[in-house]
Amino acid sequence: NAGVTQTPKFRVLKTGQSMTLLCAQDMNHEYMYWYRQDPGMGLRLIHYSVGEGTTAKGEVPDGYNVSRLKKQNFLLGLESAAPSQTSVYFCASSYPTGQGHEQFFGPGTRLTVL
Amino acid sequence: KQEVTQIPAALSVPEGENLVLNCSFTDSAIYNLQWFRQDPGKGLTSLLLIQSSQREQTSGRLNASLDKSSGRSTLYIAASQPGDSATYLCAVRDSSASKIIFGSGTRLSIRP
Repeated sequence: NAGVTQTPKFRVLKTGQSMTLLCAQDMNHEYMYWYRQDPGMGLRLIHYSVGEGTTAKGEVPDGYNVSRLKKQNFLLGLESAAPSQTSVYFCASSYPTGQGHEQFFGPGTRLTVL
Repeated sequence: KQEVTQIPAALSVPEGENLVLNCSFTDSAIYNLQWFRQDPGKGLTSLLLIQSSQREQTSGRLNASLDKSSGRSTLYIAASQPGDSATYLCAVRDSSASKIIFGSGTRLSIRP
C-alpha cells in the first residue's frame, strides 16, 4: 500500500495563477482532509470530505475549492493564488470504524506564491 | 470554539531522561485525541490515538494519557534517545467527528 500520496511535492506560482493539488489514498478511507501548515503554527483544516461527492469547510476555507469525485482522490484548487497562500499543504485520510478515525498523512506539498 | 495548546513550545533534555509533553484543550466534548511526530521537512507520523472513552494508550516507550474533565493529555517518553528529536503535535477531533484542531507543537531536542 502506498498510503496517502500527494502531487506535486513542490510548486512555485505567480500571484493570480491557478493550480490543483492532488491527494490520493489506497486505504479505502471515507474521510479525507486538506490542511495547511505555516511556520511556528500547527496545522489548520482547510476543507474536508466525509465521503465521495461530499465536501465541507474547515477552519480556513477562503481562497480554496475542493472536489471529491472519486473516493480515493481529493483535489484542492487555488483559483487565483496569493502570497498569503504560501505554505506547506498536507492531505490526510481516516476511516470512522475499526481504526477509530486515526488520521494518516501524506508527505506534503510545499507551495510558494511570488 | 475548541482551542488546543501545547506548552512548552520547545524542550531540550539530555539523553536517557524520561519526559512529558503536554496538550490542553478547552472543550471536553471530543471524539478522540491523536499524537503525531513530525521530522523537519517531513509529513506527520501517527504515534498514538486515544478515543474519548479511553484513559491511556501505550506503544513501546511512549504512553499517552487523556483526562477529558480537565481538558488535558500528556505524552510520556521513557528513556529518551537522540532519535526522538522532532516536533510533537497533538490533535483533537470534535464530538461530531468531523473537525480536527491541532496544537502548535512542542519541538523536542534530545542532547547526546
